[in-house]
Amino acid sequence: DAGVTQSPTHLIKTRGQQVTLRCSPKSGHDTVSWYQQALGQGPQFIFQYYEEEERQRGNFPDRFSGHQFPNYSSELNVNALLLGDSALYLCASSNWDLIGNEKLFFGSGTQLSVL
Amino acid sequence: AQKITQTQPGMFVQEKEAVTLDCTYDTSDPSYGLFWYKQPSSGEMIFLIYQGSYDQQNATEGRYSLNFQKARKSANLVISASQLGDSAMYFCAMRETTTDSWGKLQFGAGTQVVVTP
Repeated sequence: DAGVTQSPTHLIKTRGQQVTLRCSPKSGHDTVSWYQQALGQGPQFIFQYYEEEERQRGNFPDRFSGHQFPNYSSELNVNALLLGDSALYLCASSNWDLIGNEKLFFGSGTQLSVL
Repeated sequence: AQKITQTQPGMFVQEKEAVTLDCTYDTSDPSYGLFWYKQPSSGEMIFLIYQGSYDQQNATEGRYSLNFQKARKSANLVISASQLGDSAMYFCAMRETTTDSWGKLQFGAGTQVVVTP
């Protein structure tokens, strides 16, 4: 059973460009969350997708947008890249155990460098 | 305001020794969950242990145990019998469930653990 897979693993862009990151959730998971992790910090919640809609969003500008497809895979798009967008972008998919606790499973991330 | 505080930026621990990683949290939500994740250099966040705010007993998962002190808003992770493979960054995280925060974990800054032979 494949876990959460993300592509690409590394990416280099220049300021002002646009980037698309991809995530395939763990089998059987229908919810995908995206996190940004700057160097030396903990991950910060960007948004979550469920049933192809953005269900919740963190404190990120509109330059950050996403999409979820019918097969539950997801994309994160960032427009007008800034140097400060350089970070590890983590995708997580979720399921719930029998007593309603949500468990997130993370991918290995996409390392984005903006020059 | 910082919701999760991890005061130890880095720790060295000898193989086979136990280590305690500190975590304090801040919430007014009566229902919340506390998590610990391990992040090796590969980048993947690996789930270790979970404690619900209404759980009466401290959570345990193999060599990992969570010392939950609700009144002090503390959720320290104890790793027993450290192994070289335990060297990684460790993050404490919280989800406030009554604010409809599915999937939204709030992470601390992390503690870097280095296990030495």
